[in-house]
Amino acid sequence: QKEVEQNSGPLSVPEGAIASLNCTYSDRVSQSFFWYRQYSGKSPELIMSIYSNGDKEDGRFTAQLNKASQYVSLLIRDSQPSDSATYLCAVNVYSGNTPLVFGKGTRLSVIA
Amino acid sequence: SQTIHQWPATLVQPVGSPLSLECTVEGTSNPNLYWYRQAAGRGLQLLFYSVGIGQISSEVPQNLSASRPQDRQFILSSKKLLLSDSGFYLCAWSPRGHRENTQYFGPGTRLTVL
Repeated sequence: QKEVEQNSGPLSVPEGAIASLNCTYSDRVSQSFFWYRQYSGKSPELIMSIYSNGDKEDGRFTAQLNKASQYVSLLIRDSQPSDSATYLCAVNVYSGNTPLVFGKGTRLSVIA
Repeated sequence: SQTIHQWPATLVQPVGSPLSLECTVEGTSNPNLYWYRQAAGRGLQLLFYSVGIGQISSEVPQNLSASRPQDRQFILSSKKLLLSDSGFYLCAWSPRGHRENTQYFGPGTRLTVL
């Protein structure tokens, strides 16, 4: 059983702080890793993908991947109240056409 | 650019009634297509996925079914709805054969079964 684990939260951070969201996965052969943001009542939207060990930065977002530890994280710098949402981690275990495996998500609350 | 549509956006149905939700993708060919359900406050549950016309994989045994009559059309159906079928139904697509298999979600259909 392929599993992706996330702390459900809520994770509360003050406005302007760094929010750190973590995700672990069970299958060592996992290939690709994704972070989705889901606002309440809306569908998930892709915000970051990462395929290689290390860091990948996109604006205020940084994804970090450590395949040896089977760990992927998302850092949000200068957190804003508009970042308050549920963040879903997803993993592609095999290449190609198989569905992503999603974690249950971490709810982030940024306090103004 | 690619666009994914779902309709209806919201639906209220009585128990025992039939269901048909539709999803279409524009701007791409031969996509992989997926149906998910998200119960209130819960994670995503994969229901069905399809890698081609007429090819449907079912992930969860239940009273739902899926069909793919055309390359970019995916339909979720039920003959008789249960209360437990209430939820947020999400269609998603990904490019066929791409190593990363990035999935993109439609706007969703919120179904309430009374």
